[in-house]
Amino acid sequence: DAKTTQPPSMDCAEGRAANLPCNHSTISGNEYVYWYRQIHSQGPQYIIHGLKNNETNEMASLIITEDRKSSTLILPHATLRDTAVYYCIVRGQGRAGNMLTFGGGTRLMVKP
Amino acid sequence: ETGVTQTPRHLVMGMTNKKSLKCEQHLGHNAMYWYKQSAKKPLELMFVYNFKEQTENNSVPSRFSPECPNSSHLFLHLHTLQPEDSALYLCASSQEGGRGYNSPLHFGNGTRLTVT
Repeated sequence: DAKTTQPPSMDCAEGRAANLPCNHSTISGNEYVYWYRQIHSQGPQYIIHGLKNNETNEMASLIITEDRKSSTLILPHATLRDTAVYYCIVRGQGRAGNMLTFGGGTRLMVKP
Repeated sequence: ETGVTQTPRHLVMGMTNKKSLKCEQHLGHNAMYWYKQSAKKPLELMFVYNFKEQTENNSVPSRFSPECPNSSHLFLHLHTLQPEDSALYLCASSQEGGRGYNSPLHFGNGTRLTVT
């Protein structure tokens, strides 16, 4: 799986949008971009994933650049409960996709 | 509730003990995983099972022994561990689908293991 690069930490004001960037310049054509988050002492929680189109669900939006070398996770109205470590992961298909590799992630601190 | 249940939540064991971690998934998935998360380190993939067969062993020491009796249950048997094996052990499951598409992994909340 391709390597990803994320800033180690970010702050966001409560109620504002949190935009978390991720670089994945070596992504290949059939690899998906996944986002997870981990709140302290819990297992990682799936947020969203996409291949090349922008995606939105009840938790977040995922914007993938046209060349697919980077993406941004958007939490539209951050709350204190969104404070967590956010992981951007590139994942292959089929059995190769089972080797899901986590990096250091971005520690998002939402402040009142 | 994530659909993946791990027991126990906390475990303290001595280096000469033998213990087992249990994971059960209620999602109908066909793949299960063990991850290790040490303090201030990224998650490390340990083992992967597809359709009850082990497909990945990420150079894990033999003192960790996985068992997958069916597609809903996964165990991690522990013996003669070292203090540096203290970590959060996470189980996950997913559906490996046709035409290469895999569903997202769903994680349990882990077992916090302390080796004394």
